[in-house]
Amino acid sequence: GQNIDQPTEMTATEGAIVQINCTYQTSGFNGLFWYQQHAGEAPTFLSYNVLDGLEEKGRFSSFLSRSKGYSYLLLKELQMKDSASYLCAVMDSNYQLIWGAGTKLIIKP
Amino acid sequence: GAVVSQHPSWVICKSGTSVKIECRSLDFQATTMFWYRQFPKQSLMLMATSNEGSKATYEQGVEKDKFLINHASLTLSTLTVTSAHPEDSSFYICSARSQTSGESYEQYFGPGTRLTVT
Repeated sequence: GQNIDQPTEMTATEGAIVQINCTYQTSGFNGLFWYQQHAGEAPTFLSYNVLDGLEEKGRFSSFLSRSKGYSYLLLKELQMKDSASYLCAVMDSNYQLIWGAGTKLIIKP
Repeated sequence: GAVVSQHPSWVICKSGTSVKIECRSLDFQATTMFWYRQFPKQSLMLMATSNEGSKATYEQGVEKDKFLINHASLTLSTLTVTSAHPEDSSFYICSARSQTSGESYEQYFGPGTRLTVT
């Protein structure tokens, strides 16, 4: 079956760095997405990786290793507004998104 | 960037009635639209995938006669929850994939519709 695993919850301090991991097992691979979702709102796109390596976009970076079925989202200089759920999603061979359960990130002052 | 709207943003209805939710791509043409449901503290659950001009493909366990999806144009898809029951209360989110998304096949999400059935 298809499976996406990510931690349920993480806590970090304002100004610090946090890494949210995601491992996946899917039928085919056409890219991995990270989305941010604030409570009561729809997800917003953060990043897309289809090749191995690190993609940097401001304070957020995303890494992918296809051979290991592994990705992480790195958030630097954490701000209180970064408190949200972070969803990892893999696009399978049918171009359907397979969603992880999300990681709730709590930022403390 | 690509914008997707949903209407209404929230709705309260009585048990047994039907509710229609609209999803529109405002500045692009969406060949494919997706309907998701999300219960509190849970991840997104794909309900169905709809392609313009053809019947929707429903995920296992989703009743197609209860959740009617129409994708009549490249900018509009509707989800009708028929004979709604309290257990249908949820956050319904649509997303749209552009014809010109290119290689990323990025999905653009609407703001969601919160349905409460009393």
